Amino acid sequence: DIQMTQSPSSLSASVGDRVTITCRASRSISRYLNWYQQKPGKAPKLLIYAASSLQSGVPSRFSGSGSGTDFTFTISSLQPEDFATYFCQQSYSTAQLTFGGGTKVEIK
Amino acid sequence: EVQLEESGGGLVQPGGSLRLSCAASGFTVSNNYMSWVRQAPGKGLEYISLIYSGGTTYYADSVTGRFTISRDNSKNTLYLQMNSLRAEDTAVYYCARDEWFGDLFGAFDIWGQGTMVTVSS
Repeated sequence: DIQMTQSPSSLSASVGDRVTITCRASRSISRYLNWYQQKPGKAPKLLIYAASSLQSGVPSRFSGSGSGTDFTFTISSLQPEDFATYFCQQSYSTAQLTFGGGTKVEIK
Repeated sequence: EVQLEESGGGLVQPGGSLRLSCAASGFTVSNNYMSWVRQAPGKGLEYISLIYSGGTTYYADSVTGRFTISRDNSKNTLYLQMNSLRAEDTAVYYCARDEWFGDLFGAFDIWGQGTMVTVSS
């Protein structure tokens, strides 16, 4: 299976801050990398697919980049509604999809 | 409106069985790749099973031989039959549509609200 390592596992930030989360794959996955946001008690929500494509309806302050094994997810200016947990997920290995461990973004 | 709604969760004893349902509206289950993803309390997300539109199925190693994914096209509903349940299967179970963007990149774009399964004596 392809292992996905996400860092940091948690971070504290203030409204307006730029936030960056990284995700590393155990082997090359090209651009088959997605990012999700999950709020407590809610289902995950797709934000970014194919490493850098913004899902319809998602604000442009969210962005993604990378290919191969190293990927970055960025919130350009953190908003109050962005405090949540974020997960990366590889879709390269269709039959054995895997998620990163998650990054909890908390209020500083 | 495109949505998914799970049902069937509950408390079951170790070794027991449970069947989860996921009713779709606004799209056709049989025309899409559909998956089950679970989340143990306070933990991350774990993919557990996938069914292709053509009917091919895949399972995570943790559930192979115990869980079965299926669908009823007439009811536009996805199922997960769970047998030989263990304490470590305790989790919120989500069904999700695996959408293919540009026929190349898959991602879970529609999720149900989740149903809780607790395995305990």
